[in-house]
Amino acid sequence: LAKTTQPISMDSYEGQEVNITCSHNNIATNDYITWYQQFPSQGPRFIIQGYKTKVTNEVASLFIPADRKSSTLSLPRVSLSDTAVYYCLVGPDGFFSGGYNKLIFGAGTRLAVHP
Amino acid sequence: DSGVTQTPKHLITATGQRVTLRCSPRSGDLSVYWYQQSLDQGLQFLIQYYNGEERAKGNILERFSAQQFPDLHSELNLSSLELGDSALYFCASSTRGSSDINSPLHFGNGTRLTVT
Repeated sequence: LAKTTQPISMDSYEGQEVNITCSHNNIATNDYITWYQQFPSQGPRFIIQGYKTKVTNEVASLFIPADRKSSTLSLPRVSLSDTAVYYCLVGPDGFFSGGYNKLIFGAGTRLAVHP
Repeated sequence: DSGVTQTPKHLITATGQRVTLRCSPRSGDLSVYWYQQSLDQGLQFLIQYYNGEERAKGNILERFSAQQFPDLHSELNLSSLELGDSALYFCASSTRGSSDINSPLHFGNGTRLTVT
């Protein structure tokens, strides 16, 4: 199981760029890196997924170095509405054993954006 | 809107009772996942079904059970309820479980269960 480590919390201000780094030293060759966002009392929402280098969509960018032992979610010009918990997941876990169906969420990073 | 529908939104019941939570997955998704999230706690994986078959199990209590029906909707049954079962219960669906093992999960907005 590729364990992930993220900061418990982060603070930022409106208009700033926020980078949340996730460590996953035991990432396996088949593993992808996926980030989810969760607002209070709502289900998590898929943000972005990548395997290597850089991925960008309309919401965020994901930077993955060559050794893939970490990844960084970048949120450009955050607003108050970006205040949420951000989860980094690495998987699939155990493809051949069917373990890829067990998507395990860690504690996530609680991002607070201030005016 | 994720396309995943969970009912009811809120449920208040007494200890010892039994409840059923319902989930309708996104159109075309064969996999359904159930998660529990207690106050200020992380998401705990409970169980996963793919096209009617149980495929993965997490730390699901014996008092809890689930099933996925031929029309792909799923139900989570919680019995002999205890105060500690009060939580948000989320359902998610995905195409994951077949060939697309990296397909992301799409979550509903949950059922908030309060046991008094």
